Amino acid sequence: SAVISQKPSRDICQRGTSLTIQCQVDSQVTMMFWYRQQPGQSLTLIATANQGSEATYESGFVIDKFPISRPNLTFSTLTVSNMSPEDSSIYLCSVGQGAGEQFFGPGTRLTVL
Amino acid sequence: RKEVEQDPGPFNVPEGATVAFNCTYSNSASQSFFWYRQDCRKEPKLLMSVYSSGNEDGRFTAQLNRASQYISLLIRDSKLSDSATYLCAVKGGGGSYIPTFGRGTSLIVHP
Repeated sequence: SAVISQKPSRDICQRGTSLTIQCQVDSQVTMMFWYRQQPGQSLTLIATANQGSEATYESGFVIDKFPISRPNLTFSTLTVSNMSPEDSSIYLCSVGQGAGEQFFGPGTRLTVL
Repeated sequence: RKEVEQDPGPFNVPEGATVAFNCTYSNSASQSFFWYRQDCRKEPKLLMSVYSSGNEDGRFTAQLNRASQYISLLIRDSKLSDSATYLCAVKGGGGSYIPTFGRGTSLIVHP
């Protein structure tokens, strides 16, 4: 299993600003995933972050808007840049090894005014 | 066609009822299958993995039908505390281990 922590747990931000979300895992993992979940909606994968290489973004998500860092095997950050109210969502960090189960952090609840 | 599809519900059942959810997937090469439970305003947590031969954990039974490409979750003797959203997830196939989640099925168990 993996224990994942995220910071901050929630934030209220002004439009046009940026927020960086941190994800810390208690063990070394190859792949880390960043998801977004808007109220009442399903999980949407933003990108996959591998240590030592650039993140791979899903359709509809770009690096300029959601830059990701992955400096080591236990840590990653996701920045939500130039925020607008449409970015209000829960952002979840997740890890999983191979074909095994996924573990999720507690999420960061973001509200953009 | 979406890769993983679920009926969003809600399924509204009385305590003690038996309820079943299905989840269809499009990638026939998928290797691993899971059911997650997500409570309101919380992160998804693994409920159970789904094995080829089917598996049971207390009141919960999961089945995999590879021929028809679906997985199912059966909940017997529903409790109020079973009220949640149940997400299916599929992994593997084509060398990718990026999970694909369904949009979730909402279950409401009432007294």
